[in-house]
This record gives sequence, structure tokens and C-alpha cells, in this order.
Amino acid sequence: AQRVTQPEKLLSVFKGAPVELKCNYSYSGSPELFWYVQYSRQRLQLLLRHISRESIKGFTADLNKGETSFHLKKPFAQEEDSAMYYCALAQDFGNEKLTFGTGTRLTIIP
Amino acid sequence: EPEVTQTPSHQVTQMGQEVILRCVPISNHLYFYWYRQILGQKVEFLVSFYNNEISEKSEIFDDQFSVERPDGSNFTLKIRSTKLEDSAMYFCASSVAQTQYFGPGTRLLVL
Repeated sequence: AQRVTQPEKLLSVFKGAPVELKCNYSYSGSPELFWYVQYSRQRLQLLLRHISRESIKGFTADLNKGETSFHLKKPFAQEEDSAMYYCALAQDFGNEKLTFGTGTRLTIIP
Repeated sequence: EPEVTQTPSHQVTQMGQEVILRCVPISNHLYFYWYRQILGQKVEFLVSFYNNEISEKSEIFDDQFSVERPDGSNFTLKIRSTKLEDSAMYFCASSVAQTQYFGPGTRLLVL
């Protein structure tokens, strides 16, 4: 069975400092990995997915199959980055369910 | 930009009562999902639906739960006899190209 672990429940970072939100997964196949973000009083929204290799709002994430990780990074945090971040995994076929981590609440200190 | 919508935003019910949570997925999406999030816990998959039938369901989705797509737009989750532990935020999602788009959620409180 697949599993997603986000070891940090809370993370506080000063504005302008680098951010890294950790995500590790366990899955025997070839997974699809996602980061979802939930800003205050808003819905879950897709931030990025690993196959897109995009940078969204300055965030990037690299899938490391050797370490089974998909950490989210941003070089310079901004106040509007304060939100709840969820790492999620889907199996690599069809439109399958998402398995979520417990989430990390990121707070950017002005 | 089209969005998934859910009604109601909040629902309070008595234990043992039936509730129906409603969702309108994005119109060209073909896969639909329900998830729930108990306060302080992770978002958990309940059920996925494709081509008018359940494609996968979790252990949580027992006989008390059912889903339906009664017309071309709505997607509903019914809980037949609610329990206290059904209190949670329920999210609907729809997908295309394996990217799921979530609704704002329905907060269900069972008293």
C-alpha cells in the first residue's frame, strides 16, 4: 500500500529565506507525485506535479526515486506563501485515488 | 476558470439521520471522487466514480455510504445513518489528465 509522510507539521521561515517542505513516499510502483496548497479559507488547489517539471509561484519539486522523496523548495519565501501544503501520490495508471500526507503548515515571518 | 462546486457549505445533523452532500464537477471531467478530512487528520480517499459506476472505494466507504450521478451535472454522496465519527470536511474532486480539482468542501457535524 502507498504511503506519504510529511515529517513537519509546522514550519516557520523568515521572509526572503529559503523554504524546503519535506515529503517522502513509499510505493512499489512508479508513482505520480503532487503538491497541493490550501490558503486560508480556500480550497485545495494543485501547486505542481512532478511530471510537469514546472516552477509555480517560484516553487519547484524534484522526484528522487532513490530517496523516495519529493521535497518542495523555494529559494526566497514570500508572505503570501503562508498556507497548508499537502504532498500527495497517485498510482501511475488511470485516474486513481490520491494518497495524502498529513500536511505542513508553513508560516512566513515578516 | 471553471471550478468544482459543493453544497451545502455546512451541514449539522442528528446521529442516525441521512445526509446528502452535493457536488457539481467541472463539466468536461469524467472522473469523480469523494474525500474526507476529520479535524486534525489527513485527507482520506473515500470513493472514485467513472462511467456511472464506482471504480474504487476505501475501507471507510461501507454500506452506509453511496454515491450517485443522478443527472448530467450533479454527483452526490449519501450517508444513510450518520454516526458521530462521520463529522468531517467532505471534499469532492473531478479530474482530467490525472489532475484532480477540488471543491471547497462541506463541513458535516453530527450531533
